[in-house]
Amino acid sequence: EDQVTQSPEALRLQEGESSSLNCSYTVSGLRGLFWYRQDPGKGPEFLFTLYSAGEEKEKERLKATLTKKESFLHITAPKPEDSATYLCAVYTGNQFYFGTGTSLTVIP
Amino acid sequence: EPEVTQTPSHQVTQMGQEVILRCVPISNHLYFYWYRQILGQKVEFLVSFYNNEISEKSEIFDDQFSVERPDGSNFTLKIRSTKLEDSAMYFCASRSLGAGDTQYFGPGTRLTVL
Repeated sequence: EDQVTQSPEALRLQEGESSSLNCSYTVSGLRGLFWYRQDPGKGPEFLFTLYSAGEEKEKERLKATLTKKESFLHITAPKPEDSATYLCAVYTGNQFYFGTGTSLTVIP
Repeated sequence: EPEVTQTPSHQVTQMGQEVILRCVPISNHLYFYWYRQILGQKVEFLVSFYNNEISEKSEIFDDQFSVERPDGSNFTLKIRSTKLEDSAMYFCASRSLGAGDTQYFGPGTRLTVL
């Protein structure tokens, strides 16, 4: 069964304290892995797409990496405005499967 | 910057009533999707739509659900006879052909079934 698991469920960081979020997946025929940011009561906001193992993408304080079984979202020196839920999703060519997300809180 | 829009932002209905949720995808996009997110749970795929027909649907998308693209801009999700468990946020998303499969989501419609 296709599955996407994110960890941790929740993460509290001090401002400037770097960390990583994990997304592990077991799907047949990965076409792409996506990271989204979701603020409360809003739709997911696209961050990155990764297509193959070894690929990396960066945007400001965020960096996403991909292996054959998992992806990491690294957050460097986070700020309070980075507080949100970060969602991982995989695309198999037919459907998108989402993880349950990691709720990140960055404390000033 | 183009964006996906959805109306209404919040819909309250009585159990057994029909509701129509509306979406305006990004204008040059060709693939359209509906997802739902029950409070506190993961985003779940409902249906994908391309070339005026359903291309994929999940087990959740049963006979009480239907989708339509009534004109060149709108994409709708109809729930024929709502149930309490249909209460959720419903997100529309769209993507263009060859855009690396990136989907852009709307802000969602919160459906509350009483």
